[in-house]
Amino acid sequence: DGGITQSPKYLFRKEGQNVTLSCEQNLNHDAMYWYRQDPGQGLRLIYYSQIVNDFQKGDIAEGYSVSREKKESFPLTVTSAQKNPTAFYLCASSRSRGPGQPQHFGDGTRLSIL
Amino acid sequence: GQQVMQIPQYQHVQEGEDFTTYCNSSTTLSNIQWYKQRPGGHPVFLIQLVKSGEVKKQKRLTFQFGEAKKNSSLHITATQTTDVGTYFCAGRKDDKIIFGKGTRLHILP
Repeated sequence: DGGITQSPKYLFRKEGQNVTLSCEQNLNHDAMYWYRQDPGQGLRLIYYSQIVNDFQKGDIAEGYSVSREKKESFPLTVTSAQKNPTAFYLCASSRSRGPGQPQHFGDGTRLSIL
Repeated sequence: GQQVMQIPQYQHVQEGEDFTTYCNSSTTLSNIQWYKQRPGGHPVFLIQLVKSGEVKKQKRLTFQFGEAKKNSSLHITATQTTDVGTYFCAGRKDDKIIFGKGTRLHILP
């Protein structure tokens, strides 16, 4: 079955620590996205990538970094500069970033501060 | 900045009653998509509307895109317990996709 796999499902971060969230897709999609979801806030775009070795900042990129070395993989690093990282993180992909492309979401990673 | 406002934030309905959620944009949208997120789950794509005044139906769900392409609605007829979840609209303007904050639907048995 094709889909998006996010891991881990739950993650705990200590103060001053960087953590990396994994996102892998086998849908052969070009575009991938990272969203942050807070209660009552909907989905806010952190970073997106339209093609391998290219990515763009979204609305709330500060304190986060990404890489896109392979088409299938788009890991997100939450750095120590992100002062309020506790949230539900969702990775998504679409065939392209062009109009009319629905996004397919992974099951999410819930990040908490220790 | 560009915003997509979605109302209401929460809605409690008796099972069998109808439900409607609305999305409004300050600017004209290229298209609008609707997603459903079950409690504890991830958003799942429902439908996309592209044309001015477009209406699409999926069983008990009716989706509309306004004539000016600035607003949209999702109407559920005779709600069932399986309809529980949060419904999000996502409007596309140029190269940006903007999600509304969602409407959380709770069904009372």
